[in-house]
Amino acid sequence: IQLTQSPSLLSASVGDRVTLSCKGSQNINNYLAWYQQKLGEAPKLLIYNTNSLQTGIPSRFSGSGSGTDYTLTISSLQPEDVATYFCYQYNNGLTFGSGTKLEIK
Amino acid sequence: QVTLKESGPGILQPSHTLSLTCSFSGFSLSTYGMGVSWIRQPSGKGLEWLASIWWNGNTYNNPSLKSRLTVSKDTSNNQAFLKVTSVDTADTATYYCAHTFYNNYDYWGQGVMVTVSS
Repeated sequence: IQLTQSPSLLSASVGDRVTLSCKGSQNINNYLAWYQQKLGEAPKLLIYNTNSLQTGIPSRFSGSGSGTDYTLTISSLQPEDVATYFCYQYNNGLTFGSGTKLEIK
Repeated sequence: QVTLKESGPGILQPSHTLSLTCSFSGFSLSTYGMGVSWIRQPSGKGLEWLASIWWNGNTYNNPSLKSRLTVSKDTSNNQAFLKVTSVDTADTATYYCAHTFYNNYDYWGQGVMVTVSS
């Protein structure tokens, strides 16, 4: 399954509601996770099984979707959210999307 | 507390075999459901899952690299290993190992940079 993330670059202001998209080439059956990678760091698991928040992740992060279309939402963007976000599917094979780079406007 | 740390050669020549070690603590690879996976990332690019090894010894490799990859473990010493044969410049990347639970990577090592160059 190939994953297409959009946009590739997103610029938003602190406090904005931000939505990142991930689209699969086939049905993902909700086996979709989101990872956050800050510059120079290893990725961090944010969301798994489409909408389950990983322990210790702030509640401003949420996930949704079904079928081939999935979304990561940050309800109120914070400066520490600057990072690249990768979606990842584990329904058929194991593949990552190409990432969305999120920056502060 | 789960921690992982990768180690490797840093630099190696084309056609050689890359050997990486993941040393971990805070879990056992003999415990039901536990796994360790290897993921790599070329500089400035995306993530690529390479291989996983599970508590029961089962291993899974990325089909695009399958014949070049060997993953193994030493449960007694809390280590996992990855070998990549016949490396070339396309294998230059940061290599991560990660604790794997139900195919998700909830703890990661800091990564080890590997450069393939003559």
